[in-house]
Amino acid sequence: AQKVTQAQTEISVVEKEDVTLDCVYETRDTTYYLFWYKQPPSGELVFLIRRNSFDEQNEISGRYSWNFQKSTSSFNFTITASQVVDSAVYFCALSEANGNKLVFGAGTILRVKS
Amino acid sequence: SAVISQKPSRDICQRGTSLTIQCQVDSQVTMMFWYRQQPGQSLTLIATANQGSEATYESGFVIDKFPISRPNLTFSTLTVSNMSPEDSSIYLCSVEVWGYEQYFGPGTRLTVT
Repeated sequence: AQKVTQAQTEISVVEKEDVTLDCVYETRDTTYYLFWYKQPPSGELVFLIRRNSFDEQNEISGRYSWNFQKSTSSFNFTITASQVVDSAVYFCALSEANGNKLVFGAGTILRVKS
Repeated sequence: SAVISQKPSRDICQRGTSLTIQCQVDSQVTMMFWYRQQPGQSLTLIATANQGSEATYESGFVIDKFPISRPNLTFSTLTVSNMSPEDSSIYLCSVEVWGYEQYFGPGTRLTVT
């Protein structure tokens, strides 16, 4: 069965600090997809990234970067030079096949203080 | 990407009543999903709704409680029936678009009193 673990329940940082959100997953499939979503206080779920299991290249998008390591079944998310607007709940999710459901981790609350 | 709208955005309902939530997408999509997010919790899939077939429900969710319609490739409804306070949650629809990315609607915040 598939499972996503986000061990960090809540993280507090001061603005401009770098912060890494951890995500560990379990799946028996060789083909799968990993996602990160941001849920700000307004409640909508914002898509950040999708990564397939065959692409282990790290990705950078502005202040965001993702580190995918199959050897440790991890898909960690780093925010560089955090800002107050980054304060949100961040969810990691796993899908075992195209068109299949997403299994979400418990989420990590990120609080960025000015 | 896809632009997804949901109606209503929020509602307060009395126990024992039913509420139908609408999900509209700006493009045709094959797969639509309905999720529930209970207060302070993560998201849990209720069912997968494909056009032209009956919805597929996850363990713990039944059609009598959460009937779903999918009349075409851009629209779906979820009904929360015979509501109780435990049904107070955010209900979100999502779609899978080309590139296998999944996008979510803004959610419907339901409070049952």
